[in-house]
Amino acid sequence: DVKVTQSSRYLVKRTGEKVFLECVQDMDHENMFWYRQDPGLGLRLIYFSYDVKMKEKGDIPEGYSVSREKKERFSLILESASTNQTSMYLCASSPKGIREAFFGQGTRLTVV
Amino acid sequence: EDQVTQSPEALRLQEGESSSLNCSYTVSGLRGLFWYRQDPGKGPEFLFTLYSAGEEKEKERLKATLTKKESFLHITAPKPEDSATYLCAVRLHGSARQLTFGSGTQLTVLP
Repeated sequence: DVKVTQSSRYLVKRTGEKVFLECVQDMDHENMFWYRQDPGLGLRLIYFSYDVKMKEKGDIPEGYSVSREKKERFSLILESASTNQTSMYLCASSPKGIREAFFGQGTRLTVV
Repeated sequence: EDQVTQSPEALRLQEGESSSLNCSYTVSGLRGLFWYRQDPGKGPEFLFTLYSAGEEKEKERLKATLTKKESFLHITAPKPEDSATYLCAVRLHGSARQLTFGSGTQLTVLP
């Protein structure tokens, strides 16, 4: 069974804090993704990675960075959290090629 | 601009009342279309992949079809446990790694 695990289901952080969201997949997938999901805006791609240490910006990368030091792990970093980064964050992975992506359970982040 | 549009935004059905959800796309070079189910507070769950016009996939009460401009998710004799938001996503030429999502259809099946 495919498994994408996000480190936290719920997080509450203060404005200005540095926030780390971790994601691990056990399927040996090449591609990993970070999305955020907001009511009325749908899923928007923040960053993705197609290999270890490789990354590409998605549609809304401002205020975020990522790290992929190992194939199975993809981290999203909020350098200085702001209230407009309150959202549901979703990690996904997919194999090489035109294949489906599998999602984690999501992290509901609230920045106060 | 490439777009993915889902309709209706919300749909309420009685248990057993069959219906269809629509996903239309105005993109060139479709490489694949994907359907997901999402329960409240959870990540999307993969349902189907469709690659070419005329293709169909089935799983229990769900059947997905694809034409050159749209996809349908047919729900036959739905049950309350089919209540969820259904998302479609497309993968395009030149963006082989990225999915572009529609905004979803929120389905409620009443007992």
